[in-house]
Amino acid sequence: QKEVEQNSGPLSVPEGAIASLNCTYSDRGSQSFFWYRQYSGKSPELIMSIYSNGDKEDGRFTAQLNKASQYVSLLIRDSQPSDSATYLCAVTKAAGNKLTFGGGTRVLVKP
Amino acid sequence: SAVISQKPSRDICQRGTSLTIQCQVDSQVTMMFWYRQQPGQSLTLIATANQGSEATYESGFVIDKFPISRPNLTFSTLTVSNMSPEDSSIYLCSVDGVSGRVTDTQYFGPGTRLTVL
Repeated sequence: QKEVEQNSGPLSVPEGAIASLNCTYSDRGSQSFFWYRQYSGKSPELIMSIYSNGDKEDGRFTAQLNKASQYVSLLIRDSQPSDSATYLCAVTKAAGNKLTFGGGTRVLVKP
Repeated sequence: SAVISQKPSRDICQRGTSLTIQCQVDSQVTMMFWYRQQPGQSLTLIATANQGSEATYESGFVIDKFPISRPNLTFSTLTVSNMSPEDSSIYLCSVDGVSGRVTDTQYFGPGTRLTVL
């Protein structure tokens, strides 16, 4: 079992729709959870972090965390073609510790 | 966050040679990390670069193959030694702890795209 798992996609969504991305992790000791966006040929860019159970909203992005189910998700509302990228889920156990990444979900937003 | 630069941005190398990648940060940071991203894959941590001491390597990575230096709080190098085509990847440095405050949020440099022929 991989430590962090994501559906590789591609997840195809029409412009203006909601994109829903899922991530599961195996280590119950994980404390912090991140979503990075990576455009083709570019380095990962942090878009969201979440630490507590529940929802966290930032603009068009909402992260959801359920530690009991070991599940974290990302919703992208009003999806735009510029949101087309690979979204990486990452987890860590503590500050200063390594990030463990999932395989990434490729999102395609079609006009 | 800090501004992170890497040199070179890309390179094409012959097998059996070595390449040193530099990571420079515009402010002092506590933690520096080196990751590898193989074609079509996600990121895998190679090692944590420790200032003034030997790097801490992850399972599957060894110092002889990936020597790392970190002479101060703003700079680190990763060398890919005795390269083979399997080393063709993007190599990324990341940082945490800008101005000494370690969080758990890492920011990535632009990456070095390495192709080994």
